[in-house]
Amino acid sequence: KNEVEQSPQNLTAQEGEFITINCSYSVGISALHWLQQHPGGGIVSLFMLSSGKKKHGRLIATINIQEKHSSLHITASHPRDSAVYICAVRGGNEKLTFGTGTRLTIIP
Amino acid sequence: EPEVTQTPSHQVTQMGQEVILRCVPISNHLYFYWYRQILGQKVEFLVSFYNNEISEKSEIFDDQFSVERPDGSNFTLKIRSTKLEDSAMYFCASSRVVTNEKLFFGSGTQLSVL
Repeated sequence: KNEVEQSPQNLTAQEGEFITINCSYSVGISALHWLQQHPGGGIVSLFMLSSGKKKHGRLIATINIQEKHSSLHITASHPRDSAVYICAVRGGNEKLTFGTGTRLTIIP
Repeated sequence: EPEVTQTPSHQVTQMGQEVILRCVPISNHLYFYWYRQILGQKVEFLVSFYNNEISEKSEIFDDQFSVERPDGSNFTLKIRSTKLEDSAMYFCASSRVVTNEKLFFGSGTQLSVL
């Protein structure tokens, strides 16, 4: 069974700051997803990674397969980035195991 | 951008009643999923569905739960006899393939069992 840990659990930052959210997992995976959950509850998929690094706008996601670790970075953070960010991993099957999420609040 | 659509957005039911949660996945997607999130807890996988059959299910997905793709567009989750602990947000998701691709989530159905 894969254990997925995220840190920090809560993060408050000023607008414009560089944000890093971390995810560690215990067992080898085939893919890792970063998701964004808005205050209304809806979930949006940000990235799917199996190796290396991906970038989309101000968001960057990296994964280190050997260290079983992934990071999500947000550059030039904005209040609209305030949300819960969730890491989820998939092993050799279709089941996703989710982390508990990181609640990010960006203050203007 | 194409969307996964879920109805209803909120469902209130009495304990012991049957509920059906409905989802319309993105039209060219082949893999369909149900997840749930109990208030304040993490999202949990329930079931995956491919080629008109369940491909994987979790320990949560017991005999009280069933899924169906009754036609070419809808994907439903049925809970036969609801319990208080079934109260949660239920998310449907779909993907074109199972690997190397993002998931697309619906906006969820908030189920309240009284």
